[in-house]
Amino acid sequence: NAGVMQNPRHLVRRRGQEARLRCSPMKGHSHVYWYRQLPEEGLKFMVYLQKENIIDESGMPKERFSAEFPKEGPSILRIQQVVRGDSAAYFCASSPPGQDRYNEQFFGPGTRLTVL
Amino acid sequence: QKEVEQNSGPLSVPEGAIASLNCTYSDRGSQSFFWYRQYSGKSPELIMFIYSNGDKEDGRFTAQLNKASQYVSLLIRDSQPSDSATYLCAVNNDYKLSFGAGTTVTVRA
Repeated sequence: NAGVMQNPRHLVRRRGQEARLRCSPMKGHSHVYWYRQLPEEGLKFMVYLQKENIIDESGMPKERFSAEFPKEGPSILRIQQVVRGDSAAYFCASSPPGQDRYNEQFFGPGTRLTVL
Repeated sequence: QKEVEQNSGPLSVPEGAIASLNCTYSDRGSQSFFWYRQYSGKSPELIMFIYSNGDKEDGRFTAQLNKASQYVSLLIRDSQPSDSATYLCAVNNDYKLSFGAGTTVTVRA
């Protein structure tokens, strides 16, 4: 009974490079959420996706960040031209369908991005 | 005003005591409330959720919700050193969770 899986667990990039973070939701879960935790700060919502649809990306920076959840394969959070301020822990969470009211979200282990 | 506020820590309690964590939220329309535990360098782990006024108990944990006061709390009874972590209060707003800054709890052996 695998939980939410994320890879890589640690990612080091130089300024200007691209970062790709992957997330596979728990079995049976069709809703995926991405959150960012900056050092010494709380978790902040970034984006909510269902298969092939972005439902809410109100927490995503307007530039350089994008997310997708294709019909097949994991959800991808992509950060282009990374800057040092992007260094953070990025967590993916998933929830099953039909729980809009309660919305229990289960978190993956996170990807810790370091930008040099 | 922050959407979700938690009592500032750190909170230090002796082993076996009760740890009390508080959280207030600003959106009266919020429907469900969550407590997560996060160990240093790890991901948040769901402890409990509550959506009805009153108390909800699960083992040594009790969550309390008062929607009129926009207040939710978590009690940890018989605190153990393994309970030492940061506890995050989260509020469900249209499927996205808004988190408080967290309260760090240290249980002294």
